[in-house]
Amino acid sequence: AQTVTQSQPEMSVQEAETVTLSCTYDTSESDYYLFWYKQPPSRQMILVIRQEAYKQQNATENRFSVNFQKAAKSFSLKISDSQLGDAAMYFCAYRSPNRDDKIIFGKGTRLHILP
Amino acid sequence: DAGVIQSPRHEVTEMGQEVTLRCKPISGHNSLFWYRQTMMRGLELLIYFNNNVPIDDSGMPEDRFSAKMPNASFSTLKIQPSEPRDSAVYFCASRGWGGQETQYFGPGTRLLVL
Repeated sequence: AQTVTQSQPEMSVQEAETVTLSCTYDTSESDYYLFWYKQPPSRQMILVIRQEAYKQQNATENRFSVNFQKAAKSFSLKISDSQLGDAAMYFCAYRSPNRDDKIIFGKGTRLHILP
Repeated sequence: DAGVIQSPRHEVTEMGQEVTLRCKPISGHNSLFWYRQTMMRGLELLIYFNNNVPIDDSGMPEDRFSAKMPNASFSTLKIQPSEPRDSAVYFCASRGWGGQETQYFGPGTRLLVL
């Protein structure tokens, strides 16, 4: 069974600095999708970025980028120029391409932004 | 385009009462998911549907919980009778049919059972 591990329950970063959140996963599949979701204090779950495993290029969305290492089964999220609004819980998630499969979520990393 | 809609956004009820949470998925999406989130247990998948059919309800905690999806645009999660330990935020999410589709979440219903 697939698993997703986020080894950092909490992290802090100074405003305007860069921070990297770690995520590893375990799977025997070769094709799959990876996601980072953000959950701010409002509790809304917001998709931050998504990566298809068959793509070698790392996904980027403005200040958010990933470092996808398929062989190492690692999918870290880098946030550049951290802003106060980035403070949230961040969830890493995995999904196989099978239509009936559900997303597997990690337990989350709480990110604090220090002014 | 409207996202996933959930109602009510907040619910306060007394132990023993019936609670019904509602969800309208994104139009055209074929899969619908119900999650529960608490500090102790984190984010848990309760049940999900594909094309209105329940696929996996192994996360439903006990018989007091039931979920229905009578059509492609509406789903309910019912708790009867409710207990204080059911207090949580309940999320609904939906996803399109293709394997590459992304899952989108509703704003959640914050339930407090006194």
